[in-house]
Amino acid sequence: EIVMTQSPATLSVSPGERATLSCRASQSVSSNLAWYQQEPGQAPRLLIYGASTRATGVPARFSGSVSGTEFTLTISSLQSEDFAVYYCQQYDNWPLTFGGGTRVEIK
Amino acid sequence: EVQLVETGGGLIHPGGPLRLSCAASGFTVSSDYMSWVRQAPGMGLEWVSVFYGSGTTYYAESVRGRFIISRDNSRNTLHLQMNSLRAEDTAVYYCARHGSGSYFDSWGQGTLVTVSS
Repeated sequence: EIVMTQSPATLSVSPGERATLSCRASQSVSSNLAWYQQEPGQAPRLLIYGASTRATGVPARFSGSVSGTEFTLTISSLQSEDFAVYYCQQYDNWPLTFGGGTRVEIK
Repeated sequence: EVQLVETGGGLIHPGGPLRLSCAASGFTVSSDYMSWVRQAPGMGLEWVSVFYGSGTTYYAESVRGRFIISRDNSRNTLHLQMNSLRAEDTAVYYCARHGSGSYFDSWGQGTLVTVSS
């Protein structure tokens, strides 16, 4: 099973600032990595797939990148609606696995 | 518009069975990979099972041998039969459609399963 490790667990950011979230895979997953946003009491929402492709309707302030087994989600200028929990997920191998999540909170 | 609506959650005693359903609209479930993903209270996401093609299924190790995923093409519905339920199966269960890869591009609102005596 591929283990996905997200860091930090909690990120405190002021509105308008940049947020950088990390996700590391225990082995290569190529670019088969997705990012999701989950607000309290809501289902997750797909943000990024293929490590760097934004899903339909996702604002351009969200971007994804990859270097080896290290994946990054960057939110260029945090808006009030961006304070949520973010999960990465690999889909290179079964079982599909998620990271433990990063909570982005208001500083 | 793609829509997924889960039903069937509730309070069940340990060892009991429960069947979840996911009614899909806006697309045909037989044309896509479909999964169940769960989230224990205050915890992260855990993939549970997938159904695709003419009947290919995979399960997480934590549920293998106890849960059965199935699909009803005539009703455009996905099911999850859960047997021998344990306290650690307590979670919100989401039905999710896979995108062109095995990421999840559409999610239902979830149904809560509570296993407790």
